[in-house]
This record gives sequence, C-alpha cells and structure tokens, in this order.
Amino acid sequence: QVQLQESGPGLVKPSGTLSLTCGVSGDSISSGNWWSWVRQSPGKGLEWIGEIFYDGTTTYNPSLKSRVTISIDKSQNQFSLKVNSVTAADTAMYYCAKVNQGAFEIWGQGTMVTVSS
Amino acid sequence: EIVLTQSPGTLSLSPGERATVSCRASQSVYSNSLAWYQQKTGQAPRLLIHGASRRATGIPDRFSGSGSGTDFTLTISRLESEDFAVYYCQQYGRSPWTFGQGTKVDFK
Repeated sequence: QVQLQESGPGLVKPSGTLSLTCGVSGDSISSGNWWSWVRQSPGKGLEWIGEIFYDGTTTYNPSLKSRVTISIDKSQNQFSLKVNSVTAADTAMYYCAKVNQGAFEIWGQGTMVTVSS
Repeated sequence: EIVLTQSPGTLSLSPGERATVSCRASQSVYSNSLAWYQQKTGQAPRLLIHGASRRATGIPDRFSGSGSGTDFTLTISRLESEDFAVYYCQQYGRSPWTFGQGTKVDFK
C-alpha cells in the first residue's frame, strides 16, 4: 500500500531554513497525482502549505508563498519542502500527503518542527 | 480565501448515538469539492469523505456526507468507540485549500 514518510531536523533556529523530505513507497511519484504539504499548529489548526505535480508544477498558499519552495526528485521517489526565514510561528507538525481527486487521500505520520534558538 | 466554520466545537455523545457535524463555507464551494477527515490523538488525519458525499476506500458506511453550496454535514449514524476523535472539513474547490477549525466528538 502507499506510504509516505517525512524526515528532517526537528529543531530549526529563528531566521533559518526549515527543510523536510517526504519519501513515497508503494506508488510512483510520477503517477499523475499532486503531492502536498500541510502543517498543524495549536494556534492555527490545519494549514495547507503547497503542492507539486510530477512535472514540477507547483502551487502555494499565498500566505506562505514568498518563503516556501517545494521540489520533486523522481529518481528518489520523494519530494521536499523548504521554508525560509522561519519564526516561532512556523513551529508545527508538518505532514506530507498524496492528493487524489483534490482531497488529501494518504498522509504521512508527520514530523514535529520547533523553531527555537 | 474560503473560510470554513464548523459547529459545534465539541459534541458529547454515547456509543450508539448519532453524530452530526456541520461545516459552513464563507462562499460557495465549487463543484462540491468538500472533504471530511478524522484525526485521533497523535495520528495524522484520515480521509473519510470526498466530493461532499463519497466515502473514501475502506471507510465504514456509518459515515456519510451531504450538502452543497455553502452548507455541508458529516453524519455518523451509530457511534462506535473508535469514532471518538476530532473531525475536520476541507475545501479544495478554490485555492488556497482551507480547513475548518475542527469538531471534537467525545464521550458523554
């Protein structure tokens, strides 16, 4: 079955860059789906960050667009998230997800990222 | 962006009872592009319903979704112990995709 797994540092310094990767197993990242990032913090609930298509086309939440980059690595069957200039407000659980017919069909288990010095 | 408002915030019920969760959108959701998710403590959300009323793969038929335009409902016909969780609606009709604030279904 399809599984997604997030990985990356759990602690990032303020003004630094948050970098996460989502490994996909049981499916090809070139299968024609969109692949998404969603975060969840106590203060803001669930927030869609952005997503990428297998051909590299991206779409971002305007609230984060200036600081976010999502990329895809078809050779590794994974996609990645970078958030620049992080602050405490970026502290959250970060999830990657497979999009199917628009909805977030499969989710990774999530990874907690704390922004702190 | 489309704001989704869920009600009630908390629903206190007993096993076997019916649960009804409402999700109201600030503007019409294009093509009924509305999903429902269940989240248990320490777990990722799980897709229950998409397209407002279509159950995702493997979801029991006690879960149903209805509604159109700006008003949507998730119904759990008879609560089982594993259904006590937080439920979120989400629209994917107009970017940015947005979520409701969640409704907690807990034990009375």
